[in-house]
Amino acid sequence: SQQGEEDPQALSIQEGENATMNCSYKTSINNLQWYRQNSGRGLVHLILIRSNEREKHSGRLRVTLDTSKKSSSLLITASRAADTASYFCATDDGNNRLAFGKGNQVVVIP
Amino acid sequence: NAGVTQTPKFRVLKTGQSMTLLCAQDMNHEYMYWYRQDPGMGLRLIHYSVGEGTTAKGEVPDGYNVSRLKKQNFLLGLESAAPSQTSVYFCASRGIGQKVFAQYFGPGTRLLVL
Repeated sequence: SQQGEEDPQALSIQEGENATMNCSYKTSINNLQWYRQNSGRGLVHLILIRSNEREKHSGRLRVTLDTSKKSSSLLITASRAADTASYFCATDDGNNRLAFGKGNQVVVIP
Repeated sequence: NAGVTQTPKFRVLKTGQSMTLLCAQDMNHEYMYWYRQDPGMGLRLIHYSVGEGTTAKGEVPDGYNVSRLKKQNFLLGLESAAPSQTSVYFCASRGIGQKVFAQYFGPGTRLLVL
C-alpha cells in the first residue's frame, strides 16, 4: 500500500518563487526521504531526515518532519527552471524498503 | 562508475510472451530493488534482495520472478506477460550500514504489452 501521500499533486510557479510540498504517512518510520524525477528519467535522492530530526537543510532545500502529525514538507527556495520535475516522498520503516508517495509535479515557469 | 544500469531501455511484448529485465550496479551495494511506476501511482515495490542469493516479495509481486545470482545483478522475469504489466520498471540499489539509506536508481525500462 502507498505510504506517503503528497499534497498538492501539481504546482506551477514562477522562477524565483518558493515551492512547498507536503507528505503524510500512516505508520512509524525510521527516516523519510525526498526524491526528484525528471521527465523520462530515474529517481534521484535529494535529502533524508531521520525520525528524531525536525528540520534539515541542503542547499536550496529545506525539509521538515513532524512525527506527531506523521507529516513532512519539502521547501525549494528561489526556484529555477531546472527544478521542473516530479518530487516523491518515501518512508523507510527500518525494514530495508521504501514506500513511495504518488508524487508532486512541479513546473517552474522561466 | 556507471552506477545502476538497466537493459533493455524499451520493449514491446505480445500477451503471453516472456522476457527478462536486467539490472546491474557497480557500487558493490548489498540491497537491490525492482519497482514499477504507473501514471498517478508513484512507485510500487515488486521484489527486492538484501544480498546475493536472497530475494523477497514486495507490494506487487504477482506475475513476476526475480533472481540475484551475482551481487551486482538483479534480474526481473515475466513468465507470461499481460497488458496489466505495461509499465515503466525501475531498478534501484542501496548500500549497507548505519548511515546509508538512499537508494540509487537506474534509468528505467519501458515495457508495452499488447
